[in-house]
Amino acid sequence: GAVVSQHPSRVICKSGTSVKIECRSLDFQATTMFWYRQFPKQSLMLMATSNEGSKATYEQGVEKDKFLINHASLTLSTLTVTSAHPEDSSFYICSASKVDGTDTQYFGPGTRLTVL
Amino acid sequence: EDKVVQSPLSLVVHEGDTVTLNCSYEVTNFRSLLWYKQEKKAPTFLFMLTSSGIEKKSGRLSSILDKKELFSILNITATQTGDSAVYLCAFSTGANSKLTFGKGITLSVRP
Repeated sequence: GAVVSQHPSRVICKSGTSVKIECRSLDFQATTMFWYRQFPKQSLMLMATSNEGSKATYEQGVEKDKFLINHASLTLSTLTVTSAHPEDSSFYICSASKVDGTDTQYFGPGTRLTVL
Repeated sequence: EDKVVQSPLSLVVHEGDTVTLNCSYEVTNFRSLLWYKQEKKAPTFLFMLTSSGIEKKSGRLSSILDKKELFSILNITATQTGDSAVYLCAFSTGANSKLTFGKGITLSVRP
């Protein structure tokens, strides 16, 4: 199998607070994890790529100081949305690819963030 | 610029119909094309295609890639209401590389 979990599944926070989202590969080791956001009725937008033990690579237009990514082990990556604002409200999805070098990414169930 | 174009953007069919979903791509260093199904939550993996002309099949779903004409199709036969979802295709340029997604095709299967 290739199961990826995310926690929390849903979070509501006040403007100005920080929110941490965890992404775990449960039954495989993930060399690389990816973070996406998705707005309603739109496709996935890649935010950043993270490799275990190194700094994340952010896509153009994504603020690295606002969206902090840590990939401390081969099974865990975290995304912290710092000083969240209502415009950060979105569906955040992580994915992971196996260390065997295949192209397939396995997605977590997503986290719905609502910033009030 | 690398891109993926899916068509149609949406379609409505009745149970039992057969549908064909299209995906064309432009990319400098193509390695594989992937299809995902997204219902209410995150995408679930369907197929990964790397070679032209070799059909991949899983139950009522099948897919094929044409690397010369730069497109792929996803076929669903005998559609069921549970097939209603957004179908995403994406290409990869290498192992552990990012995927570039199309906008998705919204399929609605009516009873």
